[in-house]
Amino acid sequence: SQELEQSPQSLIVQEGKNLTINCTSSKTLYGLYWYKQKYGEGLIFLMMLQKGGEEKSHEKITAKLDEKKQQSSLHITASQPSHAGIYLCGADLDQGGKLIFGQGTELSVKP
Amino acid sequence: EAQVTQNPRYLITVTGKKLTVTCSQNMNHEYMSWYRQDPGLGLRQIYYSMNVEVTDKGDVPEGYKVSRKEKRNFPLILESPSPNQTSLYFCASSPWDRGPYEQYFGPGTRLTVT
Repeated sequence: SQELEQSPQSLIVQEGKNLTINCTSSKTLYGLYWYKQKYGEGLIFLMMLQKGGEEKSHEKITAKLDEKKQQSSLHITASQPSHAGIYLCGADLDQGGKLIFGQGTELSVKP
Repeated sequence: EAQVTQNPRYLITVTGKKLTVTCSQNMNHEYMSWYRQDPGLGLRQIYYSMNVEVTDKGDVPEGYKVSRKEKRNFPLILESPSPNQTSLYFCASSPWDRGPYEQYFGPGTRLTVT
């Protein structure tokens, strides 16, 4: 079973609409990070969250980590076609270098 | 330009023929890592390295070897490739003062083993 569960697995939204992607773990996370991937290409770092309750924003993308540090959400406001791609959450479970990733959420934005 | 390079980008090989995928970064990063990405299984870590001569297993190390003799290079070795190693492989690096989180990824190597 996947240690990091992302939902939904895929999402199609109309341009201008808001959307949320969730990432859930059964274990406490020492660090939670979000990446974006364009099809078949390498991942691009978006942001990292480490403290319970932490929230960060980058342009129209906001990510939050819940108080228990077991769930994170990524929210996109007023989506644009440039937001399309695969969003992956990743986590550090043991404060070492071993990292795990969720399965990804494929986002399509229709003009 | 700061970047992570991988070679080759595409490779088709036969079962059992040893191969090496090279990874190099020009950012003086301490942390480097290899991943494979498969449909339905997501991105899984193969090996990582916190610095020169320091390597450790990720989630799926079986069938792979790595070495870190220089800071900038982290080659992935498949001693006897099998068809289940057909995948898209990514190398990544990160400065250690940011932890292993803010990684810079290479463009990927698409490997097919027949």
